[in-house]
Amino acid sequence: DAGVIQSPRHEVTEMGQEVTLRCKPISGHNSLFWYRQTMMRGLELLIYFNNNVPIDDSGMPEDRFSAKMPNASFSTLKIQPSEPRDSAVYFCASSPRTGANTEAFFGQGTRLTVV
Amino acid sequence: AQSVTQLGSHVSVSEGALVLLRCNYSSSVPPYLFWYVQYPNQGLQLLLKYTSAATLVKGINGFEAEFKKSETSFHLTKPSAHMSDAAEYFCAVSGGGNEKLTFGTGTRLTIIP
Repeated sequence: DAGVIQSPRHEVTEMGQEVTLRCKPISGHNSLFWYRQTMMRGLELLIYFNNNVPIDDSGMPEDRFSAKMPNASFSTLKIQPSEPRDSAVYFCASSPRTGANTEAFFGQGTRLTVV
Repeated sequence: AQSVTQLGSHVSVSEGALVLLRCNYSSSVPPYLFWYVQYPNQGLQLLLKYTSAATLVKGINGFEAEFKKSETSFHLTKPSAHMSDAAEYFCAVSGGGNEKLTFGTGTRLTIIP
């Protein structure tokens, strides 16, 4: 299996532009998570989906952030408009089952720089 | 609410020495606990997990961790450090039917030749 695939690996954009991060979870996994990693705040859960349905988006910083999962094999995280404080590494992860005892498998991340 | 606290943001050990990375948890429900490793410019990789089956959990790369309820701890150990163990290590907790993983702040492990 190719694992969780994220694209792009690196993104540099100007403040005010729209940014879309993409994720392909592991086939057969039915939970998907978006995390953000910064030096200041560490790893933060932004949102997660079960069976393509958003379950908890309490970690989404503000209305500029939105996430979708139109089908079991694809998810996007969009920032519009982007701001310099959004600069971070964004990770997508998937799990094979629902349940608290299930580990998440992480992609390699997208490093976002907003200038 | 659940949380984990990792004591020591940086730990240095000599090659061949014992590795001990500390993690304490707080949870109002029986927790599930995880250790992940992150190599530079990589995603997180699962080292091991505790799901109540056994208190001593063995993971990949020679790591193990022991769940101690009385101490609310889940420390990660390895008897003999290798240079390849240099990375950042994260403890995480979930539970109560909630599959959200809450991560600690991480411990950067440096191996001294």
